[in-house]
Amino acid sequence: DQQVKQNSPSLSVQEGRISILNCDYTNSMFDYFLWYKKYPAEGPTFLISISSIKDKNEDGRFTVFLNKSAKHLSLHIVPSQPGDSAVYFCAARSFGNEKLTFGTGTRLTIIP
Amino acid sequence: TAGITQAPTSQILAAGRSMTLRCTQDMRHNAMYWYRQDLGLGLRLIHYSNTAGTTGKGEVPDGYSVSRANTDDFPLTLASAVPSQTSVYFCASSERTVTDTQYFGPGTRLTVL
Repeated sequence: DQQVKQNSPSLSVQEGRISILNCDYTNSMFDYFLWYKKYPAEGPTFLISISSIKDKNEDGRFTVFLNKSAKHLSLHIVPSQPGDSAVYFCAARSFGNEKLTFGTGTRLTIIP
Repeated sequence: TAGITQAPTSQILAAGRSMTLRCTQDMRHNAMYWYRQDLGLGLRLIHYSNTAGTTGKGEVPDGYSVSRANTDDFPLTLASAVPSQTSVYFCASSERTVTDTQYFGPGTRLTVL
């Protein structure tokens, strides 16, 4: 039972354009969401997060949008750069639960 | 700054053998975690520890055990490895609990034959 889903295993985007990575969740108790970025042979690194009391959080080129009614969040990267090529995981947790639930990941490739 | 180190980087293990994956952090974080990453399944939590002396089961704990004798170290032991435990294992830590950002180690690639 995959509570956090990333339905696109891969995505290719031209350099300079916008990259949009999507994530859907089923557990309405989730109240905090995170995006992690992973390069090959390295551990995931934290990118950006959003609390359920917000619908948008921005950090430089990265913006995360949360639509609670649709149980959907997205990560926007603009402009996309070659160094953004990586696997992106969304994750979620519910208040009082020690566990982060991760999605299956989306491999983003930025085409020069 | 080392952050989180894991050893070994990779290992091939015969089925039925035991093995301990090591994890050490130098950030004095209270909480530590072990995940496994499998293709098409993302990262799944095996065990966690909110503070030294305590441990808890995650999503996929069967076949694994952990201990947390001190703040810095959080070893993961496979008592009798099986091929389904072939995976990439990541250790992570956070300052308090999962409400804080988790920082990940570089991973251990384990193959059980």
